[in-house]
Amino acid sequence: NAGVTQTPKFRILKIGQSMTLQCTQDMNHNYMYWYRQDPGMGLKLIYYSVGAGITDKGEVPNGYNVSRSTTEDFPLRLELAAPSQTSVYFCASSYGGVADEQFFGPGTRLTVL
Amino acid sequence: AQTVTQSQPEMSVQEAETVTLSCTYDTSESDYYLFWYKQPPSRQMILVIRQEAYKQQNATENRFSVNFQKAAKSFSLKISDSQLGDAAMYFCAYRSSGGADGLTFGKGTHLIIQP
Repeated sequence: NAGVTQTPKFRILKIGQSMTLQCTQDMNHNYMYWYRQDPGMGLKLIYYSVGAGITDKGEVPNGYNVSRSTTEDFPLRLELAAPSQTSVYFCASSYGGVADEQFFGPGTRLTVL
Repeated sequence: AQTVTQSQPEMSVQEAETVTLSCTYDTSESDYYLFWYKQPPSRQMILVIRQEAYKQQNATENRFSVNFQKAAKSFSLKISDSQLGDAAMYFCAYRSSGGADGLTFGKGTHLIIQP
């Protein structure tokens, strides 16, 4: 099992550009999440999904969009990138219940200049 | 909304010694879950230990144990026999039992292991 994979590992964007961060899991997990981690801070939830076709906002959803067309994939779309979106982005997945361990991907470091 | 506070930005311990990392949280819920995650320099988030609020017994995983004080809303992590590989950022996290959303994290504690 590869677990949770994220691409790319690093990216530099110019202000106003758009991009999609890819996330794939091969553990047949129902729940998937996107977090961002700013320097010196803990992770904050952007969006989450409890299954294919179902997504919902987390704490900091502004400037982002997600979709979940399959169980395996949960891409995060940044529209009109802003410097405030400079961060490390983590995708995670879990099988189901609230007690379940969330498995994290290696992260994507995004810089918006 | 729940909040998680880690009041120790950095802690240092000698190898083989014991260290305790503090975490407090604020919630109005009675049923929830608490977690400690480790983030080494590789950035990979790794689950260390979890605690269910309705369980009185403190969780233990090998050298890692917690002191869960529900009334005080405190959830500290004790690392015994510290090893060089324990050096990392440690994050305390909260999850409500009532929803499907994600974890609420503290700001983290940077643990340094002195050889």
